[in-house]
Amino acid sequence: DADVTQTPRNRITKTGKRIMLECSQTKGHDRMYWYRQDPGLGLRLIYYSFDVKDINKGEISDGYSVSRQAQAKFSLSLESAIPNQTALYFCATSDLGGPSTDTQYFGPGTRLTVL
Amino acid sequence: KQEVTQIPAALSVPEGENLVLNCSFTDSAIYNLQWFRQDPGKGLTSLLLIQSSQREQTSGRLNASLDKSSGRSTLYIAASQPGDSATYLCAVSGNGYSTLTFGKGTMLLVSP
Repeated sequence: DADVTQTPRNRITKTGKRIMLECSQTKGHDRMYWYRQDPGLGLRLIYYSFDVKDINKGEISDGYSVSRQAQAKFSLSLESAIPNQTALYFCATSDLGGPSTDTQYFGPGTRLTVL
Repeated sequence: KQEVTQIPAALSVPEGENLVLNCSFTDSAIYNLQWFRQDPGKGLTSLLLIQSSQREQTSGRLNASLDKSSGRSTLYIAASQPGDSATYLCAVSGNGYSTLTFGKGTMLLVSP
């Protein structure tokens, strides 16, 4: 089984709908992240969480919210989806252990299309 | 604001060639630098992580170097194979907070 899973893998929705993307991990890591990837723009950080009680905005948090329900679960919500939120969304995790153990582990991604 | 640039954006080589992918970053105050591989439609896989105090890391046919003072890293792939075809992403972490700033990647195609 994959260490970092994302659901759904693909989603098509309409403008104005509320969407939740879910991420679960079995790596036992404290740190979790949400990124979006757009052609020509690379990956950009949306939100990150260093433990269950810690939530931080990333580079492009406007229009998004997150919930860290447990150490293993980190959800991303689009309260009112708009077409320019069409992108590939990735969840990632990392351990708390210093620069040599800072590797991030990525989920398979969720392809979201907003019509 | 940290900016990461990768050159070239795309590269096509015949099998067996040694090749170099380049990454540059504007703020040398980094915590570490990571190289990832992304296959089409898939997530990212970490290849190598270089701490800011290190000069290079090696894994199999891959060797990554870091020159922090000049803001540069290179990923060297020896004896390339068609299975190496993928997009390679460079990312830097600053201030010890584990958040990564990514380059846009180099799309590599190795033909048989």
